Amino acid sequence: SAVISQKPSRDICQRGTSLTIQCQVDSQVTMMFWYRQQPGQSLTLIATANQGSEATYESGFVIDKFPISRPNLTFSTLTVSNMSPEDSSIYLCSVDLRYNEQFFGPGTRLTVL
Amino acid sequence: AQKVTQAQTEISVVEKEDVTLDCVYETRDTTYYLFWYKQPPSGELVFLIRRNSFDEQNEISGRYSWNFQKSTSSFNFTITASQVVDSAVYFCALSERSGANSKLTFGKGITLSVRP
Repeated sequence: SAVISQKPSRDICQRGTSLTIQCQVDSQVTMMFWYRQQPGQSLTLIATANQGSEATYESGFVIDKFPISRPNLTFSTLTVSNMSPEDSSIYLCSVDLRYNEQFFGPGTRLTVL
Repeated sequence: AQKVTQAQTEISVVEKEDVTLDCVYETRDTTYYLFWYKQPPSGELVFLIRRNSFDEQNEISGRYSWNFQKSTSSFNFTITASQVVDSAVYFCALSERSGANSKLTFGKGITLSVRP
């Protein structure tokens, strides 16, 4: 497996503001993923982030709302923009260490007031 | 489109009981991967197992065992002699193969409560 860290671990934000979540991995990985888990719900993929290319977004998620950066093979950020209470969720990054084997970071618990 | 169904939403057992968590999947791919993850109250997602579509052998790891049956598109998870520490939400997931993309589709999860 790998050591995956996320910052912040949790935050409480005001409506209309933005929050950037960082994901750091202790080894180089090609593919990183960002998922959202709304309260009491399952995980939904937001986007796939490959180094050196634009992120690929899933249906229902747009770059203006969830811009993603992937500057190198060990790091990625997800920004939640212009937040509303509906954005309150756990945001998780994951990495594909071996083909089709994903490991997840500890998650960022976001509450929007 | 692929889909994962976990029909059970909540299960409550007494410690030392055996419990089986059901997972049924749908996919058009001939090559795919199935996963189980555990999410304890702390929120992190813990990888438990990956199984590829060509390997129907059942797997046992300590108190955990998995039964993969392609004929019924099921990948069920059994915990033997359950313990309070097994209390968590358990997710079954399916990996789609689209080029090198291994994104996961998750079921809704099963909340398991193990009472002392």
